[in-house]
Amino acid sequence: QKEVEQNSGPLSVPEGAIASLNCTYSDRGSQSFFWYRQYSGKSPELIMFIYSNGDKEDGRFTAQLNKASQYVSLLIRDSQPSDSATYLCAVKEGGSEKLVFGKGTKLTVNP
Amino acid sequence: EAGVTQFPSHSVIEKGQTVTLRCDPISGHDNLYWYRRVMGKEIKFLLHFVKESKQDESGMPNNRFLAERTGGTYSTLKVQPAELEDSGVYFCASSQARGVYNEQFFGPGTRLTVL
Repeated sequence: QKEVEQNSGPLSVPEGAIASLNCTYSDRGSQSFFWYRQYSGKSPELIMFIYSNGDKEDGRFTAQLNKASQYVSLLIRDSQPSDSATYLCAVKEGGSEKLVFGKGTKLTVNP
Repeated sequence: EAGVTQFPSHSVIEKGQTVTLRCDPISGHDNLYWYRRVMGKEIKFLLHFVKESKQDESGMPNNRFLAERTGGTYSTLKVQPAELEDSGVYFCASSQARGVYNEQFFGPGTRLTVL
């Protein structure tokens, strides 16, 4: 059973702090890694994707991938109350188009 | 550009009834996916269309679920007869391409409640 595990949360950080979200995956053949943000009752929205080991930065967001450790993370710098949402880690299996999701981590940024 | 749309947004039916969910992908996206999230669980893959063909239906739970994509545009997912455990949120997603660099765009979901 291929799995994606996320820290269970909920995670609460003060405004302006760094929020760190973590994810591990079981399938060593996975090639693509995605972070989706989902506000309550809304559709999952893609915010970051990463394919290569190392860091990828986009504005306040940094995705980190370590394939040897089967670990992917998302850092949100200067967290804002508008970042309060559930963050979903998704992994694409090698040779397939299906995404395997974690259960999500609920983040609350307190003003 | 319009995003992925789904209809209805909510559906409440009784056990044994039939429900049909509809998904309109982003225009020009040949790839269409169905996922669902049942209470307390993660979002799980159901199936993948490329145009009108089923590319991967490994996630379909049983033969009470039938997905179609006639003409390669919109898709329907029919549940017949519905059971209590079918309750959840059904998401549709679409993508322009396939492969490592593929990005899937999700619709708002249909919340299905089976009583």
